[in-house]
Amino acid sequence: DQQVKQNSPSLSVQEGRISILNCDYTNSMFDYFLWYKKYPAEGPTFLISISSIKDKNEDGRFTVFLNKSAKHLSLHIVPSQPGDSAVYFCAARTTNDYKLSFGAGTTVTVRA
Amino acid sequence: SQTIHQWPATLVQPVGSPLSLECTVEGTSNPNLYWYRQAAGRGLQLLFYSVGIGQISSEVPQNLSASRPQDRQFILSSKKLLLSDSGFYLCAWSGSGDEQFFGPGTRLTVL
Repeated sequence: DQQVKQNSPSLSVQEGRISILNCDYTNSMFDYFLWYKKYPAEGPTFLISISSIKDKNEDGRFTVFLNKSAKHLSLHIVPSQPGDSAVYFCAARTTNDYKLSFGAGTTVTVRA
Repeated sequence: SQTIHQWPATLVQPVGSPLSLECTVEGTSNPNLYWYRQAAGRGLQLLFYSVGIGQISSEVPQNLSASRPQDRQFILSSKKLLLSDSGFYLCAWSGSGDEQFFGPGTRLTVL
């Protein structure tokens, strides 16, 4: 049962514009959420995270928004750059659980 | 600083052959260790995790097994590979924080 869902498999955006990636979850016990970025043939790298006690976390060009009532989070990348072209995974965990549940990923392509 | 190594980077094996993928972590002690598989066009599926030497938890029934003979070594094995075992295998570690840190991965092709 997929507890974390990324319903958009791909996203194409023009360089300099905003990329918005969406993620939905079903487990109301999730209280920590992460975004990972993955290039082909490489391991994912941690990008940004948010705790359920917050509704926004910002780090440079990356901002994650959390809507707990809707069980929805999003990642905003502003401005988008060619190096942002990658697969982005949303992940979630519960307190005291080591395991992360991952979404299927969204492939972002930034056009020049 | 901590680093995580995986090898080999790529592997092509015939159906029915054995498998051994190795993962080691440097710069930390008593990490939690994980094996994931990313099948083509799919997300990351957790296969095994370990919170200590000799402690292995399996997430999905399958043809694979895992072992942790040393604190910072995690091995993924199979006695007889199946075609469906093809995929991209990732090892990861975590410490006291919430993030998991991934290795470079192994591309396994079973023919």
